Amino acid sequence: GENVEQHPSTLSVQEGDSAVIKCTYSDSASNYFPWYKQELGKRPQLIIDIRSNVGEKKDQRIAVTLNKTAKHFSLHITETQPEDSAVYFCAARSNAGGTSYGKLTFGQGTILTVHP
Amino acid sequence: DSGVTQTPKHLITATGQRVTLRCSPRSGDLSVYWYQQSLDQGLQFLIQYYNGEERAKGNILERFSAQQFPDLHSELNLSSLELGDSALYFCASSVAQGGGYGYTFGSGTRLTVV
Repeated sequence: GENVEQHPSTLSVQEGDSAVIKCTYSDSASNYFPWYKQELGKRPQLIIDIRSNVGEKKDQRIAVTLNKTAKHFSLHITETQPEDSAVYFCAARSNAGGTSYGKLTFGQGTILTVHP
Repeated sequence: DSGVTQTPKHLITATGQRVTLRCSPRSGDLSVYWYQQSLDQGLQFLIQYYNGEERAKGNILERFSAQQFPDLHSELNLSSLELGDSALYFCASSVAQGGGYGYTFGSGTRLTVV
C-alpha cells in the first residue's frame, strides 16, 4: 500500500520567514495530494491540494509543488505569521483499484511554530 | 461547521467497556472514513465505507467494528477497551470513493479510557 514520509517533524521559524515541509510517497498510482492544517484540539482542515497533472499550485501565501518523477511534493508558506502555527499533514491518494478505493494516506505531521 | 457531525464530542469510559461513536457525513457525500489520532501520533486510517459497503480496511483492531447505514451515517464500535485506545477519533467524508476529492473532517470524538 501507499506510504507517505514527511519531514521535518518540527519546524521553528521567525515571523515573516518562509517555511517548507516536504513529503515523499511510494505509490506511483497516487494522483491527488492534499495538505491539512490542524490546530490544537481541532479537526484537520484542507488548506491546499494538487492533482498529478499539475506541477505547482498557489493560494496567496501558500503553495504546493509536485515532482511526480521523484514522487515528492512540498508545502511552501511565505511571510509566516504566528497564526500559521499548527500541525501540518501531507497526504496522498492512489486512484488504483483493489484495496485502496481512494483513501488518503497521511504523513506523520510537522509541528510548525512561528515566533513573533 | 464542516458539515460532518460526530457525536459524542467527549467520552470517558472504563477499561473493558464498549462504546459507539457516531458520524453523519456532509450532505451528498457517500464515502465515510474513520481515523484514529493518538497523542503525538499522526492520522491512522481505520476503515472506509462507500454507500453502505466496506471498501478499505487499515490497521483496525479486531475489537473494533464499523458500519454505514442506509441514511449514510456511520458508527464505529469499540469493545473490550484498553487504556491504549484513548485517542481522538475522526470521521471524514467525501463525495466519491476515488479521484481527486479531498476529505472533510468532523470535529472528532475524544475517547478517554480509565
